[in-house]
Amino acid sequence: DQQVKQNSPSLSVQEGRISILNCDYTNSMFDYFLWYKKYPAEGPTFLISISSIKDKNEDGRFTVFLNKSAKHLSLHIVPSQPGDSAVYFCAANGGSNYKLTFGKGTLLTVNP
Amino acid sequence: EAGVVQSPRYKIIEKKQPVAFWCNPISGHNTLYWYRQNLGQGPELLIRYENEEAVDDSQLPKDRFSAERLKGVDSTLKIQPAELGDSAVYLCASSLGTGRGTNTEAFFGQGTRLTVV
Repeated sequence: DQQVKQNSPSLSVQEGRISILNCDYTNSMFDYFLWYKKYPAEGPTFLISISSIKDKNEDGRFTVFLNKSAKHLSLHIVPSQPGDSAVYFCAANGGSNYKLTFGKGTLLTVNP
Repeated sequence: EAGVVQSPRYKIIEKKQPVAFWCNPISGHNTLYWYRQNLGQGPELLIRYENEEAVDDSQLPKDRFSAERLKGVDSTLKIQPAELGDSAVYLCASSLGTGRGTNTEAFFGQGTRLTVV
């Protein structure tokens, strides 16, 4: 039972364009959502987060949108850069258990 | 500021042998996590510590896995005996706390890639 789903294993975009990474969740108790970026042979690095009381959070080129009714969130990267090429993990927590539940990740490739 | 430090980076062992991983969290972070990441999957929590207390070890296979966090700082994760299916990346992470909001943001180490042959 996968509670956090990233249905696109990979995404390829051109440099300068927008990258949109999607994430769906099933557990209605989740109320805090995070995105992590992971380069090969490194641990995941925190990127951006959003609380369920908000529907948007922006940090530079990165914006996360949350649609609670649809149990869906997305990460927008504008403009995309080759250095953004990495695996992006969506994670969530909430309820009585504070552990982070991760999706399987989406490999983003930004082509020069 | 130093990040989460893990060692070793890589380990290859034969099945049925023991193995141990070490983690030094970010200074001041009370919460420490051990995650396991299988190929093509996201990290999955094995155990979470609040200071020296293991507050969530429900996902830890206790027949062969053990962990400790003496003095609430460094932590070790041990597997004895290792099985072929234990091959994975073992990630340690730490955070300021486990409330709501920014103190739940976990910072990860580089991980230990374990190969059991």
